[in-house]
Amino acid sequence: DTAVSQTPKYLVTQMGNDKSIKCEQNLGHDTMYWYKQDSKKFLKIMFSYNNKELIINETVPNRFSPKSPDKAHLNLHINSLELGDSAVYFCASSQAAGGYEQYFGPGTRLTVT
Amino acid sequence: GQNIDQPTEMTATEGAIVQINCTYQTSGFNGLFWYQQHAGEAPTFLSYNVLDGLEEKGRFSSFLSRSKGYSYLLLKELQMKDSASYLCAVPMDSNYQLIWGAGTKLIIKP
Repeated sequence: DTAVSQTPKYLVTQMGNDKSIKCEQNLGHDTMYWYKQDSKKFLKIMFSYNNKELIINETVPNRFSPKSPDKAHLNLHINSLELGDSAVYFCASSQAAGGYEQYFGPGTRLTVT
Repeated sequence: GQNIDQPTEMTATEGAIVQINCTYQTSGFNGLFWYQQHAGEAPTFLSYNVLDGLEEKGRFSSFLSRSKGYSYLLLKELQMKDSASYLCAVPMDSNYQLIWGAGTKLIIKP
């Protein structure tokens, strides 16, 4: 049974398009996250969602918006894609915010052409 | 602000021991994490230290000194499968989101 799953695994699209990445966790965790890992392998937090509280990293453009239909899902919607959005996007979850192990999904490799 | 430093790359020999260092700067402290990330895969949790000292978990141990803002990950009896990036991370002071070091790429040679 997959703990944290993401779809799609690969996404190739053109500049200006709008796309979504889905994430689901079956661990019963209260907190979910979206990360971006660029070509230099830096892992940067984009959003965290805990008990209906959304925390947005201030460096994230407002073209990115997380949507959480329920506690087990945190989807990422991206408007007007740009070349610089090309990266691997990881979803993760943890039992709660703070000092808890985070479980990562397999990642979505987004390529914008 | 908060900052994390790790060496970019290290090389070690199969069967040997390697120590990967991490220094951090935070105004508060809410623990320190180590994760392993193989190429093309997701990070996986290795350890979490919140108190000073050494915590051992099989071949991997993690050490923390809060007064020095310093941690290390010690890998013993290195195996080829240990070739990966090792990432150090600390929760932000304000909201507990993790900030991550750039990771140390460990190359194991036969």
